[in-house]
Amino acid sequence: SAVISQKPSRDICQRGTSLTIQCQVDSQVTMMFWYRQQPGQSLTLIATANQGSEATYESGFVIDKFPISRPNLTFSTLTVSNMSPEDSSIYLCSVEEGETQYFGPGTRLLVL
Amino acid sequence: KNQVEQSPQSLIILEGKNCTLQCNYTVSPFSNLRWYKQDTGRGPVSLTIMTFSENTKSNGRYTATLDADTKQSSLHITASQLSDSASYICVVSWDNFNKFYFGSGTKLNVKP
Repeated sequence: SAVISQKPSRDICQRGTSLTIQCQVDSQVTMMFWYRQQPGQSLTLIATANQGSEATYESGFVIDKFPISRPNLTFSTLTVSNMSPEDSSIYLCSVEEGETQYFGPGTRLLVL
Repeated sequence: KNQVEQSPQSLIILEGKNCTLQCNYTVSPFSNLRWYKQDTGRGPVSLTIMTFSENTKSNGRYTATLDADTKQSSLHITASQLSDSASYICVVSWDNFNKFYFGSGTKLNVKP
């Protein structure tokens, strides 16, 4: 099973700043997924990140707000840009191995 | 519109009792259905995954059932334990790679 770590685990940020979240997987995977989970709600897919190509964003999410990097098969970053309090959420990265989807522990973000 | 609805929203049961969580979906064409357990402050963890041809799948005290005709699934927890307190999320995969629809989850609280 894939083991995923994320950094930071939590952060408190000021409005207007940006935060980059790192996701590291212990095995090589083709696709990595970034999700957002707002308080009390289920997960929403932000984008799918393939190594060597542009990320694919879901409706309602744009690259300028959530730029993603995928420099190799075990690592990805998600940046939350020009943050506002509405961006306060848990951000999770995820990978698929076979039929199973694995999630990182999440990054809990609070924007003041 | 592809949707996944879960019920109940929340549930309180006594330790040792059984419970059943429901998931109805309208996703079509359907690829597979997954149940996840999400502890507070943690990423979701996969419990079961079923394709349309499978009716039931067990993972320890967790048993998932699927009726692809009525587009309903249930997750049955037997002899509940305090550690079962978590949110349980139903996820349906569309017949197109990497398209997932998440239910809003059922929050289970097991009391001693």
